[in-house]
Amino acid sequence: DAGITQSPRHKVTETGTPVTLRCHQTENHRYMYWYRQDPGHGLRLIHYSYGVKDTDKGEVSDGYSVSRSKTEDFLLTLESATSSQTSVYFCAIRREGRETQYFGPGTRLLVL
Amino acid sequence: GENVGLHLPTLSVQEGDNSIINCAYSNSASDYFIWYKQESGKGPQFIIDIRSNMDKRQGQRVTVLLNKTVKHLSLQIAATQPGDSAVYFCAENQAAGNKLTFGGGTRVLVKP
Repeated sequence: DAGITQSPRHKVTETGTPVTLRCHQTENHRYMYWYRQDPGHGLRLIHYSYGVKDTDKGEVSDGYSVSRSKTEDFLLTLESATSSQTSVYFCAIRREGRETQYFGPGTRLLVL
Repeated sequence: GENVGLHLPTLSVQEGDNSIINCAYSNSASDYFIWYKQESGKGPQFIIDIRSNMDKRQGQRVTVLLNKTVKHLSLQIAATQPGDSAVYFCAENQAAGNKLTFGGGTRVLVKP
């Protein structure tokens, strides 16, 4: 499992509230990714990071921000959650010099 | 299970038979391909990968075939077992890029 944990694993929140999801890795990997997974869309990249304080947008970044202040943690924030952000969120890491990404267990988010 | 969800193509296989799962990829410049397995409530799990300079690669009970002419990838599972029931999806990595593009997935149901 590449030493990846995500927290919380489940969350229910209300529209308009801020939400932060955490991805934690224990193996010092440089590259980290946030995806969302929805029926009919598969996995879509939200944001990714290629080092501490180095992040970039993916294909569905609107409404999301990220931060990476230390190697082991990559945070995804929904500044003001909307019902369209109800989804399952996965974090992934990529080992240096390799293309394969390894995924965490996911966070199921429900925005009411 | 709520992996990709309601609109997945489904392959029903008798236990012990071989399974073949297909994937059409989009970018002729992609140079690396991965198959993932996703069980209900879990994150995607790496199964096998192949580079574009190969047309076949074998693992334990799995074989991946790559046909670059028609941009087609397949995963063969030998002697399918109940534990193989899951959603399978392919991913492609574009040359010189560090992002994966994921297919929508196929649900495999193994009948005892």
